[in-house]
Amino acid sequence: QSALTQPASVSGSPGQSITISCTGTSNDVGGYDYVSWYHQYPGKAPKLIIYDVNNRPSWVSNRFTGSKSGNTASLTISGLQAEDEGDYYCTSYTTISTFVLFGGGTKVTVL
Amino acid sequence: EVQLVQSGTEVKKPGESLKISCGGSGYTFSNYWVAWVRQTPGRGLEWIGIIYPRDSDTRYSPSLQGQVTISADRSIDTAYLQWSSLKSSDTAIYYCARLVGQHLDTLDHWGQGTLVTVSP
Repeated sequence: QSALTQPASVSGSPGQSITISCTGTSNDVGGYDYVSWYHQYPGKAPKLIIYDVNNRPSWVSNRFTGSKSGNTASLTISGLQAEDEGDYYCTSYTTISTFVLFGGGTKVTVL
Repeated sequence: EVQLVQSGTEVKKPGESLKISCGGSGYTFSNYWVAWVRQTPGRGLEWIGIIYPRDSDTRYSPSLQGQVTISADRSIDTAYLQWSSLKSSDTAIYYCARLVGQHLDTLDHWGQGTLVTVSP
């Protein structure tokens, strides 16, 4: 069981918006603004898409938005496209470990 | 362009030793922590440890401490992950990644992964 809880799967139609949640505790997600999100295609390495809750690296589309409320962080993908399929993972800084916590991953399907 | 390039697929038997590599380019390798993470279908993404190549400061996940060794060679901008005696449970895809952020909280560039299969 992963330290951060994500839904196993989320789906949407092209053009729609979807949101993936990542729930932790006050020792991690709720207490600090150090949440990151990663996108992974099958057979490929994960790729950073959001860091520090809501910041995008230069290579990431503005269709990806991060946010946080209480102990839950969220990733919203707007204008869903076929290329957005894959697995999405969240991570968070935590006070109880040297290493950030991983979420269990969410499989995104574009219908 | 920041790049991390890992060594190729390995197939080993239980009890054998192995050393895989991760070469960095496009940035000052010594100045950034390098993380090793593994991925399996059943256990998802799991920390192995991290190393700071400038002084080889190394930290291991408690669950893997003693099972693996992480090292780095600054002269050739390469980090390593090695086992002295592999087990079937070591079968996984192993990724290296550059670690950044105030609390070493972000893996901003990843290697392509090394598949390690341990089978009799």
